[in-house]
Amino acid sequence: GAVVSQHPSRVICKSGTSVKIECRSLDFQATTMFWYRQFPKKSLMLMATSNEGSKATYEQGVEKDKFLINHASLTLSTLTVTSAHPEDSSFYICSAKGTDDLNTEAFFGQGTRLTVV
Amino acid sequence: GQNIDQPTEMTATEGAIVQINCTYQTSGFNGLFWYQQHAGEAPTFLSYNVLDGLEEKGRFSSFLSRSKGYSYLLLKELQMKDSASYLCAGMDSNYQLIWGAGTKLIIKP
Repeated sequence: GAVVSQHPSRVICKSGTSVKIECRSLDFQATTMFWYRQFPKKSLMLMATSNEGSKATYEQGVEKDKFLINHASLTLSTLTVTSAHPEDSSFYICSAKGTDDLNTEAFFGQGTRLTVV
Repeated sequence: GQNIDQPTEMTATEGAIVQINCTYQTSGFNGLFWYQQHAGEAPTFLSYNVLDGLEEKGRFSSFLSRSKGYSYLLLKELQMKDSASYLCAGMDSNYQLIWGAGTKLIIKP
């Protein structure tokens, strides 16, 4: 299957700082990338959908100024958590879909565990 | 509204068979996905059904009935490494995935 690489896998940062998470599709072109957040023992929560070259569409309740998403190319999307607070600590996962077929599976990155101290 | 229902937790014995059910209500339908997620890791794709019937892939099979809004994931010859959460997700008319809360499967020796 296709490979999506997410980096970093773990990050610890201080309150008030910003953290950037990268999501790369390594062997296919991803027109659409999804960013999810997962709280312990909870299901994935879609935060936003980004299409290459356009602004991300955020789900209700997700602050777009706090969670900045950039999808500058067909192989890279970034999520920046700005002015992080302890409540932002979570597991963040990206997934990417290719260009060939809208019904194709979404390939997931490895996830990033963010801890804000 | 859109909704995915699946049991919260199931327990099964190593070597046995287990069936995890999922019912869905989505605005339009473009397929049903099953993912496996081990604790602390991202989900991995297991199956995709868009037509009625059973899709078999090794020890795992997935079934879909569109008229009933129902799917199940069947795991055979259970191994300890199958202990994980299994996520059911429906794809709506906008090609967005609607996620269930996941079923935690506990395998006992």
